[in-house]
Amino acid sequence: NAGVMQNPRHLVRRRGQEARLRCSPMKGHSHVYWYRQLPEEGLKFMVYLQKENIIDESGMPKERFSAEFPKEGPSILRIQQVVRGDSAAYFCASSLTSTRNNEQFFGPGTRLTVL
Amino acid sequence: GENVEQHPSTLSVQEGDSAVIKCTYSDSASNYFPWYKQELGKGPQLIIDIRSNVGEKKDQRIAVTLNKTAKHFSLHITETQPEDSAVYFCAASRGRDDKIIFGKGTRLHILP
Repeated sequence: NAGVMQNPRHLVRRRGQEARLRCSPMKGHSHVYWYRQLPEEGLKFMVYLQKENIIDESGMPKERFSAEFPKEGPSILRIQQVVRGDSAAYFCASSLTSTRNNEQFFGPGTRLTVL
Repeated sequence: GENVEQHPSTLSVQEGDSAVIKCTYSDSASNYFPWYKQELGKGPQLIIDIRSNVGEKKDQRIAVTLNKTAKHFSLHITETQPEDSAVYFCAASRGRDDKIIFGKGTRLHILP
């Protein structure tokens, strides 16, 4: 049973380009969460999605960032017109539908570097 | 919103000794408190969690305690081993489908 998968593991972009980060949740999980981690910092919540729905995007920057979790395929975090401050590790977590425990399982992360 | 404070930011412990990491939270509605271990270049891994209806939970060398009144919770690692060296994050959540709010982490060094 594969865990949460993220790709790419490392992504380098120049300022102004677009970054697309993908997350495949654990099998049977339909809840996906995205977090951002700056160096030497904790993880900051960005967005919570269920299939085809954004449930909570209170942690998402208002501009340039968007997320989706389509009926088929992985969840995508998109960052348009990247700036140097977007350089960070982006982690995806998934949880099981209707879990009382809210146990979130994390992927290995995508490390984004903006030149 | 919820705010989680974690101390210390760095902790060095002699191998075999115990390590204690302490956290506080602000939102009295939080009822789920997971602890994550993050090794270099990897994602966080859940190592233990505790719910607000329990005061203490133990799993082999790891134990967590929760004081709801004081809004404190702690991680205790006994008989530390070199492989315990990592960054540890405490976190709080309102539970069921809610986002997790993380502390800033504690870098634990186990000294030989």
